[in-house]
Amino acid sequence: DQQVKQNSPSLSVQEGRISILNCDYTNSMFDYFLWYKKYPAEGPTFLISISSIKDKNEDGRFTVFLNKSAKHLSLHIVPSQPGDSAVYFCAASADITGTASKLTFGTGTRLQVTL
Amino acid sequence: NAGVMQNPRHLVRRRGQEARLRCSPMKGHSHVYWYRQLPEEGLKFMVYLQKENIIDESGMPKERFSAEFPKEGPSILRIQQVVRGDSAAYFCASSPLGSSGNTIYFGEGSWLTVV
Repeated sequence: DQQVKQNSPSLSVQEGRISILNCDYTNSMFDYFLWYKKYPAEGPTFLISISSIKDKNEDGRFTVFLNKSAKHLSLHIVPSQPGDSAVYFCAASADITGTASKLTFGTGTRLQVTL
Repeated sequence: NAGVMQNPRHLVRRRGQEARLRCSPMKGHSHVYWYRQLPEEGLKFMVYLQKENIIDESGMPKERFSAEFPKEGPSILRIQQVVRGDSAAYFCASSPLGSSGNTIYFGEGSWLTVV
């Protein structure tokens, strides 16, 4: 039972344009959401997070939007750069602190930023 | 990746053999988490350990899998009598305290292939 779903396995975006990565979840108990970025042969690295009390969190070129009623979140990257090419994982936690032992990950979306 | 060292990076085992995966956390980190990524799936939490203690093993399969984090040395994830379904990428992460998902650091992963 995949409680966190990333329905697009891959996405290709031109450099300079906006990348939008989507994530849907089914568990209404999830309170804290994170995005991780993963390069080939490396472990995931934390990118940005959002708690359920917010609907938007911004960090430089990265913005995460949360729509609790739709159980949907998205990651926007503007402008996209070639170095952003990686696999992006959405993760969710039913613990508001987002404790690492309670994270549920999606299957990932591979983003390719083309020149 | 952020100093968490995993070895071996790649391990091939025949069915019925034992697999041992090692994880040395970042310096100063006393908390270790193991995650498993099966093909076409997201990372799934397995076990959370502190030095000499298992804090949460709710994600560990009931049989054949064990984990330890001794006072000295790396954390070890041990899989006895491996089966083909154990083929996966195993990621270790560490944190200085029992932390949120935005302050844990993942290693590069160990890829287990069971033939």
